[in-house]
Amino acid sequence: DAGVIQSPRHEVTEMGQEVTLRCKPISGHDSLFWYRQTMMRGLELLIYFNNNVPIDDSGMPEDRFSAKMPNASFSTLKIQPSEPRDSAVYFCASSKQGSNQPQHFGDGTRLSIL
Amino acid sequence: QQQVKQSPQSLIVQKGGISIINCAYENTAFDYFPWYQQFPGKGPALLIAIRPDVSEKKEGRFTISFNKSAKQFSLHIMDSQPGDSATYFCAANAFSGYSTLTFGKGTMLLVSP
Repeated sequence: DAGVIQSPRHEVTEMGQEVTLRCKPISGHDSLFWYRQTMMRGLELLIYFNNNVPIDDSGMPEDRFSAKMPNASFSTLKIQPSEPRDSAVYFCASSKQGSNQPQHFGDGTRLSIL
Repeated sequence: QQQVKQSPQSLIVQKGGISIINCAYENTAFDYFPWYQQFPGKGPALLIAIRPDVSEKKEGRFTISFNKSAKQFSLHIMDSQPGDSATYFCAANAFSGYSTLTFGKGTMLLVSP
């Protein structure tokens, strides 16, 4: 079975540029989550979707961050403009709907903003 | 406000020893407590999980102990192996219809040969 697929795996770009991270969830999963991982703050939930609808975006740090889920098999996280403090590993995870459903993580995108 | 506190930050255990990682929570609405294991360059993967209606759950060498009155739970890795070297995260979920998780900050475990 294919797991959660994220692209790109690594991204290096200059401050001010637009960055788009992509995620393909596991087929049949209804919920999709975007996380950011840093040494200082650990794993932070940025936003999650259920049935392609954003449910809670309170973790999105600033208006520079936006996320979309146009269909059940694709989501994007966009940062515009990017800043050096956005450097982190960004994970996408998916799960079936309902409480206590395990989340399945992709292998992440390591983002470096110079 | 950190809702799940995890300790220690790092841990070194000799091969064959017992690794113990502890977590404490504040939100009494939490009703599901998973542990995730993360290897370098990979995403976290579910290792084992427990609900508060049981005090212990064991899967192979991995055991969760849960103390509801103290609002604490811990992961025990018996007969620790070098292949167990990874970062471990505890997490908690409050029933809301969605499987959102609040994570601890992680414990880096190194099992020395």
